[in-house]
Amino acid sequence: DIVMTQSPDSLAVSLGERATINCKSSQSVLYSSNNKNYLAWYQQKPGQPPKLLIYWASARESGVPDRFSGSGSGTDFTLTISSLQAEDVAVYYCQQYYNTPITFGQGTRLEIK
Amino acid sequence: QVQLQESGPGLVKPSETLSLTCTVSGGSISSYYWNWIRQPPGKGLEWIGYIYYSGTTNYNPSLKSRVTISLDTSKNQFSLKLNSVTAADTAVYYCAIGEYYFGYWGQGSLVTVSS
Repeated sequence: DIVMTQSPDSLAVSLGERATINCKSSQSVLYSSNNKNYLAWYQQKPGQPPKLLIYWASARESGVPDRFSGSGSGTDFTLTISSLQAEDVAVYYCQQYYNTPITFGQGTRLEIK
Repeated sequence: QVQLQESGPGLVKPSETLSLTCTVSGGSISSYYWNWIRQPPGKGLEWIGYIYYSGTTNYNPSLKSRVTISLDTSKNQFSLKLNSVTAADTAVYYCAIGEYYFGYWGQGSLVTVSS
């Protein structure tokens, strides 16, 4: 199985500041034949299912604010929120779909400082 | 807009079988990949497996010996059966659409395993 490790486990950021969450995979999730990274990011608020934010490591899902961006390749990835809003308080997960079983990171809890 | 809704018993006894159904509305089940994902209280996400509309299945090896996912196209539903459950199977169970990433999710169904 591909192990996904997120850092930090929790993060407190001031409103309007940048938040950065990292995700590292135990093996590359870059598929060489199509040069795509098989990596997604989700946001989960209490009592709700996860919401897809980013797929193919950097493609923003329709309707997701442009303050959310994804970057990285191979084994190291980053989710960046450029200017934190109150509604961004949530737990964030990365997920690899390079092979099965599909696996998720342990989650990063984002709070307001 | 596709919507998913999980249903089934909220309490299952140890050693028995957990059964959940996901009803699909706003779209046909005769396409796409249909997944089950679970989340123990306060913990992270675990992919259980999927069924493709053709009937092909793919299960997480950690659960493969106990899991069955099936389709009922006449009812636009797909189902999860997990047998020989223990307290470790207590979780919110989500159904979701996608071969790779999951753009649509149900609201989740909490299943508690307890005598």
